[in-house]
Amino acid sequence: GQQVMQIPQYQHVQEGEDFTTYCNSSTTLSNIQWYKQRPGGHPVFLIQLVKSGEVKKQKRLTFQFGEAKKNSSLHITATQTTDVGTYFCAGDGGSNYKLTFGKGTLLTVNP
Amino acid sequence: EAGVAQSPRYKIIEKRQSVAFWCNPISGHATLYWYQQILGQGPKLLIQFQNNGVVDDSQLPKDRFSAERLKGVDSTLKIQPAKLEDSAVYLCASSLVADRRYEQYFGPGTRLTVT
Repeated sequence: GQQVMQIPQYQHVQEGEDFTTYCNSSTTLSNIQWYKQRPGGHPVFLIQLVKSGEVKKQKRLTFQFGEAKKNSSLHITATQTTDVGTYFCAGDGGSNYKLTFGKGTLLTVNP
Repeated sequence: EAGVAQSPRYKIIEKRQSVAFWCNPISGHATLYWYQQILGQGPKLLIQFQNNGVVDDSQLPKDRFSAERLKGVDSTLKIQPAKLEDSAVYLCASSLVADRRYEQYFGPGTRLTVT
């Protein structure tokens, strides 16, 4: 079945440093979604990427979808303590709006 | 707009007991998902409903887990009998499939501890 892998598993940064998490799928995706889960909370939708090579920005967050639609990345510029949480990518292999989640990257920020 | 509601928020049971979780999705959302999230891992899809029909239950341990969505609105997920490895957070999510966007809205989850 479809597998979605994320690296790194953990990332600790000083406030103000940049952060990037990478997502790779074993199969070509029709689209990919990113979610953020705060400690003790539930996943919250951030963005959906659909087109090959697509780049979308949300303030300090930049999301990319690879040309082959098998990988994606999330980059945060100048991290803040409010960015703390686990970031998940979730890939749709193209059937029935079903998402396969990666294991996530836990980001901690030292103030 | 009210979010996805789940109850109970916490449940502690002994192994071999049964437990049931309830979910009320966002009004108008036809698609409902149940996920199992084990500590330190991403959500794993257990079952997906479209209205009151099952779309995908390939990862549902059917010997002990069951789910239903009567009338295409509320849903219940049951575990009988529970095993220690069922300790996890059970998340319900719903989505409104429109065009090519279908972000999922998650409820607060039910944290299950099996002792």
